[in-house]
Amino acid sequence: GDSVTQMEGPVTLSEEAFLTINCTYTATGYPSLFWYVQYPGEGLQLLLKATKADDKGSNKGFEATYRKETTSFHLEKGSVQVSDSAVYFCALTVSVSGFQKLVFGTGTRLLVSP
Amino acid sequence: GAGVSQTPSNKVTEKGKYVELRCDPISGHTALYWYRQSLGQGPEFLIYFQGTGAADDSGLPNDRFFAVRPEGSVSTLKIQRTERGDSAVYLCASSSMGGGTDTQYFGPGTRLTVL
Repeated sequence: GDSVTQMEGPVTLSEEAFLTINCTYTATGYPSLFWYVQYPGEGLQLLLKATKADDKGSNKGFEATYRKETTSFHLEKGSVQVSDSAVYFCALTVSVSGFQKLVFGTGTRLLVSP
Repeated sequence: GAGVSQTPSNKVTEKGKYVELRCDPISGHTALYWYRQSLGQGPEFLIYFQGTGAADDSGLPNDRFFAVRPEGSVSTLKIQRTERGDSAVYLCASSSMGGGTDTQYFGPGTRLTVL
């Protein structure tokens, strides 16, 4: 079935370091791809999304490009901040009977130290 | 504007008891979803409502779980004869239509602990 695989965490970085969190997917058809973020004590928030191949989603300095040839949607940021410490979830939507069901990866915890 | 709200934020119950978890979606959103997030895992789909009807309940783990949305707005997830394995964070999300590239907006979740 459709699934998402993320790199295991935690990812520990110093402030201003470059971030990559890998995400690959398996899907039939053409899913939309998402990154959601969960800050400590808060709910899931949409960070960015891409709906078709070669689309780049971006928000708050984060970017991810929908790569159909490698079935990947890696999350990147050029310079992380302490406030970026959170759990990041890669997800795809599966079209089921006319609606879009989200399928999530297991999440990657990012810890950024000053 | 108001986002998705869920009550209670925390619920502790004893094995075998009945619980209800409530979700208030964003006003005007016709699509509503319930997910369950176990510790260290990503959320897993439980059930989807379009309006008042459960369009897909294939993610409900067994018949102890049931959800309603009688007026097409607020939804209640009901769990009978709770078991320790039901302990998790239950998330509700809503979207404007449910199809296409709609974004799902999540509530803060209800943390259920079954002792």
